[in-house]
Amino acid sequence: SQQGEEDPQALSIQEGENATMNCSYKTSINNLQWYRQNSGRGLVHLILIRSNEREKHSGRLRVTLDTSKKSSSLLITASRAADTASYFCATSGSARQLTFGSGTQLTVLP
Amino acid sequence: DAGVIQSPRHEVTEMGQEVTLRCKPISGHDYLFWYRQTMMRGLELLIYFNNNVPIDDSGMPEDRFSAKMPNASFSTLKIQPSEPRDSAVYFCASSTRQGDYEQYFGPGTRLTVT
Repeated sequence: SQQGEEDPQALSIQEGENATMNCSYKTSINNLQWYRQNSGRGLVHLILIRSNEREKHSGRLRVTLDTSKKSSSLLITASRAADTASYFCATSGSARQLTFGSGTQLTVLP
Repeated sequence: DAGVIQSPRHEVTEMGQEVTLRCKPISGHDYLFWYRQTMMRGLELLIYFNNNVPIDDSGMPEDRFSAKMPNASFSTLKIQPSEPRDSAVYFCASSTRQGDYEQYFGPGTRLTVT
């Protein structure tokens, strides 16, 4: 079963705008990761935030984590058409496996 | 590094046939994961291995599914007999004991069972 639920399920924005996706989860975690999946491809790891961190940046990506609310957000700034993809959050507990959310389909219009 | 390699990329088979999906993880990675992705159920973990040993196969849907990892550089996922509801994209991913459990995914095998 999926632990994470992403919101919104689909998001359409203009190139240059910021895109924000949210993820909620149910159980305690060691870390939370975000992955991108382009159509017809495998998932690609984007960024990881540990449970004792609140915010992390990587290039145009900003991730926040609120363990009290069991939620995370992914912000993509200055979006580009190439950012069009599905974005998944994944949580990791004490074991090695990841539990993936249902994903947000992002469309960036040129 | 070539990344995780999966074959075949596409497989079309008839109901009742045996299907074998193959995966070569990234060299040096000691964890290997098999996932199934469908529109209805999203991305589901089927089974994962550590140092070639199956650790958790609770996600394997039925006895028709089996997975092996005979050595550190090769794994198979077999479905026998296949059914139309097995149609999905199957991903293999690998990771290393170092780091924070990031996983590296292969391109997937799109399976269609008619």
